[in-house]
Amino acid sequence: NFMLTQPHSVSESPGKTVTISCTRSSGSIASNYVQWYQQRPGSSPTTVIYEDNQRPSGVPDRFSGSIDSSSNSASLTISGLKTEDEADYYCQSYDSSNGVFGGGTKLTVL
Amino acid sequence: EVQLVQSGAEVKKPGESLKISCKGSGYSFTSYWIGWVRQMPGKGLEWMGIIYPGDSDTRYSPSFQGQVTISADKSISTAYLQWSSLKASDTAMYYCARPKASRAWEDAFDIWGQGTMVTVSS
Repeated sequence: NFMLTQPHSVSESPGKTVTISCTRSSGSIASNYVQWYQQRPGSSPTTVIYEDNQRPSGVPDRFSGSIDSSSNSASLTISGLKTEDEADYYCQSYDSSNGVFGGGTKLTVL
Repeated sequence: EVQLVQSGAEVKKPGESLKISCKGSGYSFTSYWIGWVRQMPGKGLEWMGIIYPGDSDTRYSPSFQGQVTISADKSISTAYLQWSSLKASDTAMYYCARPKASRAWEDAFDIWGQGTMVTVSS
């Protein structure tokens, strides 16, 4: 089984841009799609990015996703930060037999 | 409206058994996998396993294989997560979730249940 490693926390000011990384421990990051979920306290997660870089309807285009095969990692970038973006963010992917979540990143918008 | 509605919070003692449920509505229940995700208090999300109600094909994370049982009753559009002997370390919020595409288990979860809190304490 592989692991997805995320920074424990990031912080940035409103209006700025932040990038959260997600590094796959084994196997190619490009071999299976990566999803990103947002979870606010007391709520179920919601998808902000699926299939590496696709946004569900209703998710603002301030959210974008990408993968980088050279570093075997995926990234979630949020531009024009708003206080409402403060939440936990999780990456998630699969291998041939099951799914894996990253440990989560707490985003603070201060 | 597509939704997953989970059973209510449970308080159990160590060693007891438990089965929690997740009822799907607003879509063809037998055409979509249903996954289960654990979130221990103050911790991150963990992918536990997933079932295809159409034929009960089930995949488990190695971390949860043998620790829980995932099942489904397609006649009542309900998936289940069960324990035969609970431990204090099973205390967590459990979410069911449905992937975005039908028949695809390797897909983003786009519909989530509201979560079921399980507390195991003597």
